[in-house]
Amino acid sequence: DIKMTQSPSSMYASLGERVTITCKASQDINSYLSWFQQKPGKSPKTLIYRANRLVDGVPSRFSGSGSGQDYSLTISSLEYEDMGIYYCLQYDEFPRTFGGGTKLEIK
Amino acid sequence: QVQLQQSAAELARPGASVKMSCKASGYTFTSYTMHWVKQRPGQGLEWIGYINPSSGYTEYNQKFKDKTTLTADKSSSTAYMQLSSLTSEDSAVYYCARDHFDYWGQGTTLTVSS
Repeated sequence: DIKMTQSPSSMYASLGERVTITCKASQDINSYLSWFQQKPGKSPKTLIYRANRLVDGVPSRFSGSGSGQDYSLTISSLEYEDMGIYYCLQYDEFPRTFGGGTKLEIK
Repeated sequence: QVQLQQSAAELARPGASVKMSCKASGYTFTSYTMHWVKQRPGQGLEWIGYINPSSGYTEYNQKFKDKTTLTADKSSSTAYMQLSSLTSEDSAVYYCARDHFDYWGQGTTLTVSS
């Protein structure tokens, strides 16, 4: 199975700050990576797919980058509504595997 | 618009089985695979498996292979997941998600308790 190592596991950031979350795959996943945001009691919401493609309707302050084994999600200027838990997912191989999550809180 | 409507919360006894549903609308059901994901309270996301509604082909995470059966009814555009021999470890929220996880259901909460 492909292991997805996500970091940090939690973080505090200030409004307006630039935030970066990373995911490292245990092998090349050919950019088959998505990023999700989950708020308490809600389903995950897809932000990014294919490593860097923004889902329609997602604010442009979110961006994804990376290739091979290393990927990142960046929020260019943190807003209050961005609080939540972020997960990466690889869909290059079965079984699909998620990162452990990053809990993002506002400082 | 694409919607995945999941069945209501379930309370089940240890050792029992449960079957939950995910009704798709707003797209051609047979054109996209359907995935299922488990989330235990306060924990991360685990991929259970997927079904191709058109062919009935399924693929499971080995961890859930003996626990789970995925089916789909093309006539009602509904995917189903049956969980058997329930234990407290199966208490979780279960989500269905379309194909590349672009759309998610609202989740079905399963509580296993005597």
